[in-house]
Amino acid sequence: DAGVIQSPRHEVTEMGQEVTLRCKPISGHNSLFWYRQTMMRGLELLIYFNNNVPIDDSGMPEDRFSAKMPNASFSTLKIQPSEPRDSAVYFCASSLAGNQPQHFGDGTRLSIL
Amino acid sequence: GDSVTQMEGPVTLSEEAFLTINCTYTATGYPSLFWYVQYPGEGLQLLLKATKADDKGSNKGFEATYRKETTSFHLEKGSVQVSDSAVYFCALSEKGGGNKLTFGTGTQLKVEL
Repeated sequence: DAGVIQSPRHEVTEMGQEVTLRCKPISGHNSLFWYRQTMMRGLELLIYFNNNVPIDDSGMPEDRFSAKMPNASFSTLKIQPSEPRDSAVYFCASSLAGNQPQHFGDGTRLSIL
Repeated sequence: GDSVTQMEGPVTLSEEAFLTINCTYTATGYPSLFWYVQYPGEGLQLLLKATKADDKGSNKGFEATYRKETTSFHLEKGSVQVSDSAVYFCALSEKGGGNKLTFGTGTQLKVEL
């Protein structure tokens, strides 16, 4: 079975540009999570959705960050405008309801120059 | 709020040595507990879990026992291999918390020949 699929795997862009990260969760999973991982701050939860509805976005660092889940099989995380301090690895994860384990994608390594 | 505390790394061991990575937690209810592993360049993978007190999770020679009295979930392996070199994350999920995970900061393990 396919796992969580993220694209692109790597993204290098200049500051000020818009960045869109994409995620396809595992089919049938109804919870989706976006994380950011850096050496300095470790693994941070940015936002999560249940049944396509955003439940907790308290981890979204600024208004420059936005996330959508238009349907059960697709989500995006957008940064506009991007800044060098946004450089990190961004992970998407999905799970079934009821305290089930989360399944992670391989991440998008984002570098903002 | 909920929190997870892990021993700081890196932990460096010789092959076939015994491994313990300490993890303690603070939670308001009775959470489920998890260990995730992250290999270089990859996302996190579930290693093992336990959902109630005195449960023992095990996988690939790793074990951890849910100790409610000491609020701990220490990870152990009797004989580590070079291939076990990775970062290990302890995490908890509150029942009714929407599958949201609270992660520890991660412990890097290096196993040498």
